[in-house]
Amino acid sequence: AQSVSQHNHHVILSEAASLELGCNYSYGGTVNLFWYVQYPGQHLQLLLKYFSGDPLVKGIKGFEAEFIKSKFSFNLRKPSVQWSDTAEYFCAVNANTDKLIFGTGTRLQVFP
Amino acid sequence: DTAVSQTPKYLVTQMGNDKSIKCEQNLGHDTMYWYKQDSKKFLKIMFSYNNKELIINETVPNRFSPKSPDKAHLNLHINSLELGDSAVYFCASSPYLRDPLDFGPGTRLTVL
Repeated sequence: AQSVSQHNHHVILSEAASLELGCNYSYGGTVNLFWYVQYPGQHLQLLLKYFSGDPLVKGIKGFEAEFIKSKFSFNLRKPSVQWSDTAEYFCAVNANTDKLIFGTGTRLQVFP
Repeated sequence: DTAVSQTPKYLVTQMGNDKSIKCEQNLGHDTMYWYKQDSKKFLKIMFSYNNKELIINETVPNRFSPKSPDKAHLNLHINSLELGDSAVYFCASSPYLRDPLDFGPGTRLTVL
């Protein structure tokens, strides 16, 4: 069965620090990959997606993610976080099925 | 302009009651979904409909019955509510299966 792992459950950073959130999935075939963000009290919003092509994907608000097929990973990065990035971040994978499977989420807290 | 809307936003009810949550999207998408987010923020798909037809029924108790009167609406009816049904329920839509999802604001259900 497909699964998505986010090993960082809770990340605490100061403003201007760099961010990398891990995401690994278990499926050997073609995948579509996504990162969603949920700000406090709000609904989920798409940050970025990878379907094919350049494995380095740029999203909104300065976020990017790199698909490394050999490592089954799709880590999210941001060079300099802001207080407003405080949110829950979800990696999600669609592995050639009609279901989008979400990871357990990473809570990011950014302190000024 | 609300793309995916849900009503009500909050729902507090007693065990054993029956309740409904409504969802509407004005994006012209063909596919709609219900996801459940538990207290640990884990998101799990419950149902998906494509053009009013049920595509995914993810081993949800049959107390939960989705209904799609047209492709812009997907309602969720829950019979005989239990304590464990307390969660946030998100409706979502996408142009087609496997496309990125647009999420609604969520309905926080509390069963007492």
